[in-house]
Amino acid sequence: DAGVTQSPTHLIKTRGQQVTLRCSPKSGHDTVSWYQQALGQGPQFIFQYYEEEERQRGNFPDRFSGHQFPNYSSELNVNALLLGDSALYLCASSLVAGGNTYNEQFFGPGTRLTVL
Amino acid sequence: AQSVTQLGSHVSVSEGALVLLRCNYSSSVPPYLFWYVQYPNQGLQLLLKYTSAATLVKGINGFEAEFKKSETSFHLTKPSAHMSDAAEYFCAVSDRGYSTLTFGKGTMLLVSP
Repeated sequence: DAGVTQSPTHLIKTRGQQVTLRCSPKSGHDTVSWYQQALGQGPQFIFQYYEEEERQRGNFPDRFSGHQFPNYSSELNVNALLLGDSALYLCASSLVAGGNTYNEQFFGPGTRLTVL
Repeated sequence: AQSVTQLGSHVSVSEGALVLLRCNYSSSVPPYLFWYVQYPNQGLQLLLKYTSAATLVKGINGFEAEFKKSETSFHLTKPSAHMSDAAEYFCAVSDRGYSTLTFGKGTMLLVSP
């Protein structure tokens, strides 16, 4: 059973460019969350997708957008890249269990984005 | 709003010594609490979680943590450090709805021979 996979593993872009990162959830999972981890910091929640809709969003500008496909995979898009967008981008998948329960998140290895 | 504070950005121990990594949380509702470990150039691996069952939680690799509501703490311990424990450790709190995680800034554990 493959876990959460992300592509590419590394990416180098220049300021002002646009980037797309991809995530395939763990088999059987239907929810994907994205996190940004700047160097020396803990991961910060960007947004979460469920049933192809963004259902929760963290404190990130509109330059950060996403998409979830019918097969539950997801993309994270960042427009007009800034130097400060350099970070490890982590994808986490989970299965909505319903009710007031915690849906355990499984993390992928991340995509290291460097903005020059 | 939820938040997590991890005391000490770096903790150094000798191999065989007790490991204690501190975490305090703030939450307006009963929280779910987690410890994750991150090895260099890797993603996050769940060590253990508290989801309102037993307050003393045992995890993988000999780690455990105790939920103390009165102290709003969830400190991570291991009786005897091993060289392979050297990594960065993150404490996190989750809501009970969307299960999104709020992380602390992390503590780097250094283990010397």
